[in-house]
Amino acid sequence: QLQLQESGPGLVKPSETLSLTCTVSNGSVSTISSYWGWIRQPPGKGLEWIATIYYTGRTYYSQSLKSRVSISVDTSKNQVSLKLSSVSAADTAVYYCARTYSSSWFDPWGQGILVTVSA
Amino acid sequence: DIQMTQSPSTLSASVGDRVTISCRASQSISTWLAWYQQKPGKAPKLLIYKASSLESGVPSRFSGSGSGTEFTLTISSLQPDDFATYYCQQYDSYWTFGQGTKVEIK
Repeated sequence: QLQLQESGPGLVKPSETLSLTCTVSNGSVSTISSYWGWIRQPPGKGLEWIATIYYTGRTYYSQSLKSRVSISVDTSKNQVSLKLSSVSAADTAVYYCARTYSSSWFDPWGQGILVTVSA
Repeated sequence: DIQMTQSPSTLSASVGDRVTISCRASQSISTWLAWYQQKPGKAPKLLIYKASSLESGVPSRFSGSGSGTEFTLTISSLQPDDFATYYCQQYDSYWTFGQGTKVEIK
């Protein structure tokens, strides 16, 4: 059964860059038609899609975050990474990675990682 | 960008009630819509995809309908395990989530 696990620092200082990694197990990031996405959820709020990538390197970004976000894939490590620059308190959230088959619904999801932006 | 609007934001119901949650898209998305259930501290769980297809293992009391811009998630008989927050998500053009509907105990 495909499993995803997010990792990275739980605390980031304002104006710095948030960097997260999603490690895929029991499957390959290079699977045909499997796209990989990042979604976040601020405490007590709803879900916000951030970015999606295909193993070929094709990327899709949320218009509202596009200027600060970068998503990448490392097929040799079976990992997908997210970078979000110039963070502020508004970027405090649980960050999830998830697979989307043929760029559709998200399933499965990782357990999520809480990232707090604070000095 | 396609906007997704759910109603109501909060719904109070009792065990056994029939519950309906609405989701409206700002433009037509055909049937490119999914529904998720999320419980506190957990990742969202896929319930419905392509507007009305039930994900494997999801109880049959959950159903989805709609096309174009109007969609509905129905729980035919609310069970204790169903008290949670529900989200719709379009995948016609990029990906967008609704703001969520919390189903709470009446």
